[in-house]
Amino acid sequence: DSGVTQTPKHLITATGQRVTLRCSPRSGDLSVYWYQQSLDQGLQFLIQYYNGEERAKGNILERFSAQQFPDLHSELNLSSLELGDSALYFCASSSRVAGDIYNEQFFGPGTRLTVL
Amino acid sequence: SQQGEEDPQALSIQEGENATMNCSYKTSINNLQWYRQNSGRGLVHLILIRSNEREKHSGRLRVTLDTSKKSSSLLITASRAADTASYFCAHYQGGKLIFGQGTELSVKP
Repeated sequence: DSGVTQTPKHLITATGQRVTLRCSPRSGDLSVYWYQQSLDQGLQFLIQYYNGEERAKGNILERFSAQQFPDLHSELNLSSLELGDSALYFCASSSRVAGDIYNEQFFGPGTRLTVL
Repeated sequence: SQQGEEDPQALSIQEGENATMNCSYKTSINNLQWYRQNSGRGLVHLILIRSNEREKHSGRLRVTLDTSKKSSSLLITASRAADTASYFCAHYQGGKLIFGQGTELSVKP
């Protein structure tokens, strides 16, 4: 158990809908990262927050947004869902700000999103 | 798109044998990390090797890093059926952790 929790574990929804994925980092970790894993794209970094502020952005679609709250939990919002958004979405946390410094990440169990 | 390459993409061995996975990357790095993922589950950090290190051990894991060739390898010795998983290398670039494509390891009892 990494100490990172994600809810829900599974989510089935229809195209055009909006969903919110939730992540609670390990106790004390200030950085939260979101990743998308699909068969065709592999594991892709989406976005990172540190202590409530956005710190790094990957190939995150404009239909997707995220935020980190004062209690450090984070939410990833996916809107106008398309079939291609079906994937595993992982949250990870770490104790230091990401950058070119020594830093391992602890991953949650993921949310499996299916868009029908 | 991912900026790391791993080979082989899939590896099938018998229990007790050694498994070697290779990773190449394109930019200069401060460290390289290896993660493991059991089917459909979250990734687990295995080991981190710094750019000024050439080799690192952790239990049955041995990682090497050759910064001149921009490559790393992960060796799992005396493999067990429980080692069956996907293994990914990853490195930071511009604040983002970039993962390789992964090697799917199958260890048969």
